[in-house]
Amino acid sequence: DTGVSQDPRHKITKRGQNVTFRCDPISEHNRLYWYRQTLGQGPEFLTYFQNEAQLEKSRLLSDRFSAERPKGSFSTLEIQRTEQGDSAMYLCASAAGTGQHNEQFFGPGTRLTVL
Amino acid sequence: GENVEQHPSTLSVQEGDSAVIKCTYSDSASNYFPWYKQELGKRPQLIIDIRSNVGEKKDQRIAVTLNKTAKHFSLHITETQPEDSAVYFCAAPGDVGQGGKLIFGQGTELSVKP
Repeated sequence: DTGVSQDPRHKITKRGQNVTFRCDPISEHNRLYWYRQTLGQGPEFLTYFQNEAQLEKSRLLSDRFSAERPKGSFSTLEIQRTEQGDSAMYLCASAAGTGQHNEQFFGPGTRLTVL
Repeated sequence: GENVEQHPSTLSVQEGDSAVIKCTYSDSASNYFPWYKQELGKRPQLIIDIRSNVGEKKDQRIAVTLNKTAKHFSLHITETQPEDSAVYFCAAPGDVGQGGKLIFGQGTELSVKP
């Protein structure tokens, strides 16, 4: 499968625990985005990378959230001290090139449930 | 920043009828408007997009129209089929000239009844 992949697909954790998600973009896509989607809503932008550089973070992203893309390939999203409000689907997307508006290809998402 | 509003939130049509979903945006500088389809339990997938230098774009049974003056764009699906049933999201750029992040509408759940 040459599409965007995410791991794990589901994560159940207790409030206060830390969780980490991984995203593998389409090979050679230099842009990588993280979005969060709650039930009945559209994806909400969290952060994005161009190669290994994190160029923007949403103001909605609290300091409990951190993302990395150390070698410009896969990315990780970590949530520290999880809260019930963090329960959502976390989607990763990648895009090729440096043009402003290239198609974003989404992964299957990681569904997080915080008990 | 950009704000995208989408209507209706749910839409039910008979197979063979047309379906229209409308979105409005706030940033007059926005120049790219994609539409994504998300089937239950699946990832969002791009079905069509339009750039601000054209007013309409068609791809088989799907078309998108753009009215830059009024700052709204619409998705038109003709001859609907049961497999068109899904949630549809419109989107617009979060920051024109920046990294291409998208601001999504709230979604429209389309149900096509056989």
